[in-house]
Amino acid sequence: AQKITQTQPGMFVQEKEAVTLDCTYDTSDQSYGLFWYKQPSSGEMIFLIYQGSYDEQNATEGRYSLNFQKARKSANLVISASQLGDSAMYFCAMREGNAGNMLTFGGGTRLMVKP
Amino acid sequence: DAGITQSPRHKVTETGTPVTLRCHQTENHRYMYWYRQDPGHGLRLIHYSYGVKDTDKGEVSDGYSVSRSKTEDFLLTLESATSSQTSVYFCAISEASGTNDVLTFGAGSRLTVL
Repeated sequence: AQKITQTQPGMFVQEKEAVTLDCTYDTSDQSYGLFWYKQPSSGEMIFLIYQGSYDEQNATEGRYSLNFQKARKSANLVISASQLGDSAMYFCAMREGNAGNMLTFGGGTRLMVKP
Repeated sequence: DAGITQSPRHKVTETGTPVTLRCHQTENHRYMYWYRQDPGHGLRLIHYSYGVKDTDKGEVSDGYSVSRSKTEDFLLTLESATSSQTSVYFCAISEASGTNDVLTFGAGSRLTVL
């Protein structure tokens, strides 16, 4: 079974609008971490935001926030006030304690910001 | 930028030839990883290292071997490259392996096997 599922292969958003990228995960572990990475067309992987399974507050980093719904096993990335530079691939990933804490990735969502 | 250098950045080779990709870090991090990226699959873990001479297999380790003789260097070897190993390879590092430890990635190495 897929550990991390990103159901949106591609999305468009208008510049200055907010956008939500979906991520659902599957784990039986109580302790785990959820991560989002951005991959622009230049190819590098850029860490954006982290959420721990025991964190009660949703993580925020500037224009990025993580909508963490533990019971639904979802960890959606919200980007506020989209900019043209946000056009990229976005990957959701998880580290689970019972998997040796290895980082497992979803298939990614390509976000395109329209001017 | 975190000090991670991958070499070569691009390589074209023929089926059956050996290939070695190098990852060099200047952060003195204990953990190093090799991932491959293919369309639709995200990144998948090939091998990882938790110290000098300490390595273990990841999800897609068949056809790959690794070595780590120094803290700063982690080598990925394809003993006999196949077309299915055409991919972009990323090295990553982390200080520890807790559920909250962030991986920092290198710039990637694009390998084409003809």
